[in-house]
Amino acid sequence: KNEVEQSPQNLTAQEGEFITINCSYSVGISALHWLQQHPGGGIVSLFMLSSGKKKHGRLIATINIQEKHSSLHITASHPRDSAVYICAVRVDTGNQFYFGTGTSLTVIP
Amino acid sequence: DVKVTQSSRYLVKRTGEKVFLECVQDMDHENMFWYRQDPGLGLRLIYFSYDVKMKEKGDIPEGYSVSREKKERFSLILESASTNQTSMYLCASSLDRRLRNTEAFFGQGTRLTVV
Repeated sequence: KNEVEQSPQNLTAQEGEFITINCSYSVGISALHWLQQHPGGGIVSLFMLSSGKKKHGRLIATINIQEKHSSLHITASHPRDSAVYICAVRVDTGNQFYFGTGTSLTVIP
Repeated sequence: DVKVTQSSRYLVKRTGEKVFLECVQDMDHENMFWYRQDPGLGLRLIYFSYDVKMKEKGDIPEGYSVSREKKERFSLILESASTNQTSMYLCASSLDRRLRNTEAFFGQGTRLTVV
């Protein structure tokens, strides 16, 4: 049973395209995180959301608490955006995080 | 600006060896976590600690133990390494959940190969 589901698993886009990655979860949460992992393994946090929408540069993250769904959008995609994007939720009953299996994005010049 | 540091990026160990993976954070976080990451399975929690000398098993604790003698350091121990423990290991830390909506910070990962 996966508490966090992401789609798509793999995504290839042409440079400049608008990209959407989706995340659905089935548990009560206190916050949702979007993470980025480049080849080599290190993970960085892009966004932490508990409601509404956040924007950072070309990245936009939205969350709908009632529908238990979040999306990560990348506008004007660039090859340097190529990475694995991971959705993670912090449960509202404890200290744990649950992770999606990630979306592998490749942006072709 | 490094916040969570893992002692090694790459390790190669022999079957049966005792292996120590070290993680240090400089943010005075209560919670620290060890995950392993495998293709198609995502990040799975091995152990976490919510205070010094406190630990709880995660989803896949078999074959692992942990140690947290100081707040800033959380060690993952493979008592007798086996080839099925070849994986990417990631350490993370966060503030206590009572301080809601806190971020988790991740180390750079240790890619362990057991031969």
